[in-house]
Amino acid sequence: DTEVTQTPKHLVMGMTNKKSLKCEQHMGHRAMYWYKQKAKKPPELMFVYSYEKLSINESVPSRFSPECPNSSLLNLHLHALQPEDSALYLCASSQGKGQGGLYNEQFFGPGTRLTVL
Amino acid sequence: AQSVAQPEDQVNVAEGNPLTVKCTYSVSGNPYLFWYVQYPNRGLQFLLKYITGDNLVKGSYGFEAEFNKSQTSFHLKKPSALVSDSALYFCAVRDYSGAGSYQLTFGKGTKLSVIP
Repeated sequence: DTEVTQTPKHLVMGMTNKKSLKCEQHMGHRAMYWYKQKAKKPPELMFVYSYEKLSINESVPSRFSPECPNSSLLNLHLHALQPEDSALYLCASSQGKGQGGLYNEQFFGPGTRLTVL
Repeated sequence: AQSVAQPEDQVNVAEGNPLTVKCTYSVSGNPYLFWYVQYPNRGLQFLLKYITGDNLVKGSYGFEAEFNKSQTSFHLKKPSALVSDSALYFCAVRDYSGAGSYQLTFGKGTKLSVIP
């Protein structure tokens, strides 16, 4: 299984709502990533989990809260978002450092299209 | 910090003609380079990578890339373009961020349009 799945595919939320994005992989990867992508722009790294520990937080506002409950799952909790947070949110996974991760590509999920009203 | 540059926002090519999408890199140490493709409203799909070895790397869907150390380039190529190759292409470089983590730094992307 070389697939990264993300749910939901689409999400519309108000600025006062709380919602969560979910990502799952069963490739045994120990590094997982959240990216934000605006239209026709490259993905921007938000968070990196390495062996279920948060290792990179790219100065992301606290209204985004990541969680890695186990080695297969990655969540992104959303609260009090702004309209400018509307984007495609991509999850990715790769082998971790101890797995030869330097040489291996990241596998991306299809993304969640988020619209904040 | 590692970086890649894609000098062309858009590349147009006729179906059946060869295509090239350009990428140059700036790294300290050995470069680990990747190409990804993104179709509309989809995630990124891995095409190929250069780690070491042969300068000509073959990848998915008939794509290949030529690594040129003297020109610090990693151009993506295909001998005969298909309409279905029309998509957004990203070049990326692997960077080590410490704490056992790696990240990809992407170029701005090049939109490829293959004209029937």
